[in-house]
Amino acid sequence: DAGVIQSPRHEVTEMGQEVTLRCKPISGHDYLFWYRQTMMRGLELLIYFNNNVPIDDSGMPEDRFSAKMPNASFSTLKIQPSEPRDSAVYFCASSLRVHEQYFGPGTRLTVT
Amino acid sequence: AQSVTQPDIHITVSEGASLELRCNYSYGATPYLFWYVQSPGQGLQLLLKYFSGDTLVQGIKGFEAEFKRSQSSFNLRKPSVHWSDAAEYFCAVGAGNNNDMRFGAGTRLTVKP
Repeated sequence: DAGVIQSPRHEVTEMGQEVTLRCKPISGHDYLFWYRQTMMRGLELLIYFNNNVPIDDSGMPEDRFSAKMPNASFSTLKIQPSEPRDSAVYFCASSLRVHEQYFGPGTRLTVT
Repeated sequence: AQSVTQPDIHITVSEGASLELRCNYSYGATPYLFWYVQSPGQGLQLLLKYFSGDTLVQGIKGFEAEFKRSQSSFNLRKPSVHWSDAAEYFCAVGAGNNNDMRFGAGTRLTVKP
């Protein structure tokens, strides 16, 4: 199994630009999670999906953030417009059983 | 809501020495408990989990953890640390079926030669 796949691994963009992060979950997993990791705030859950439906997006910081899961094998997290304080590592995770999550390698986002 | 505390931000041990990383949780019922490890530049890897049953849980890479309800703890142990164990370790607690899992702030492990 290839595990959770995220792209790009690194993204550098200028403030105000749109950023799209991509995730392919493990095949057969029906839960997908987006997390953000920073030194100041640690690991924060942004949103999670079950069977492609958003279940809890209370962790999404602002309307500038949006996430979609058009099918069972693909999800995106979009930031528009991006700001320097969005700089972080963004992780995608998937699970089959409740709570037992498997993480991707992350996307390191730098907004200048 | 559930929460988890990792009291130690940074721990240094010598290679070959034993290791114990502390984790305390807060939740009214029986929690789901996890330990993850994160190597630099990598994602989080699941080391072990506790859902129910035997309170001593074996994981990968020679790690084990013990669930102690009376102390609200789920400490991670390894009898002999290897240099490759140097990483950040996260304890996490889940509750119910809502997939709301909370992570601790992490403990960074340094291994001295």
